[in-house]
Amino acid sequence: GQQVMQIPQYQHVQEGEDFTTYCNSSTTLSNIQWYKQRPGGHPVFLIQLVKSGEVKKQKRLTFQFGEAKKNSSLHITATQTTDVGTYFCAGPGTTLGRLYFGRGTQLTVWP
Amino acid sequence: EADIYQTPRYLVIGTGKKITLECSQTMGHDKMYWYQQDPGMELHLIHYSYGVNSTEKGDLSSESTVSRIRTEHFPLTLESARPSHTSQYLCASTRTSGSYEQYFGPGTRLTVT
Repeated sequence: GQQVMQIPQYQHVQEGEDFTTYCNSSTTLSNIQWYKQRPGGHPVFLIQLVKSGEVKKQKRLTFQFGEAKKNSSLHITATQTTDVGTYFCAGPGTTLGRLYFGRGTQLTVWP
Repeated sequence: EADIYQTPRYLVIGTGKKITLECSQTMGHDKMYWYQQDPGMELHLIHYSYGVNSTEKGDLSSESTVSRIRTEHFPLTLESARPSHTSQYLCASTRTSGSYEQYFGPGTRLTVT
């Protein structure tokens, strides 16, 4: 079935270090979405990538969609304590309207 | 900020009780979803709906049931709560067309003693 794999599951960094989480799909995706969930909160939509090779930036966050549209990454430059949370990627499946979420990467930032 | 609401936010209940978790959205979204999630962990889809009178089971086997009598309302019911149901339950909705970004409610944190 549809699967979206995400690594690593956990990442601990010191404030100021960079962070990257990777997402891979077994099938070509029409788009990929990224969500952030703060501790104790709910997932919040960050961005959607649609085009092959697309790169989008939101301040210190850089999102990439692979050329084959099967992988994606989220890179945070110079992490801050406000970046703490779990980051999920999600891709659509064959069932219209469904999203398949990766397992998420929990980011911890030490001050 | 999305207009999707869940009640109660926290619930502690004894084994064997029947409970209903409420979810409402005021955005007119046709598609709605229920996820089960342990804190900071994977999201497990347990039910979804594409519109009124349409409900489907998700990937995670669940002893809960859902109904969709009105577009804005998607309640989840546990007929007999068990300690294994202790978790956070997240409701979400999405537009019918265009981007399928999901808007999540604040969640219900359920503890079954």
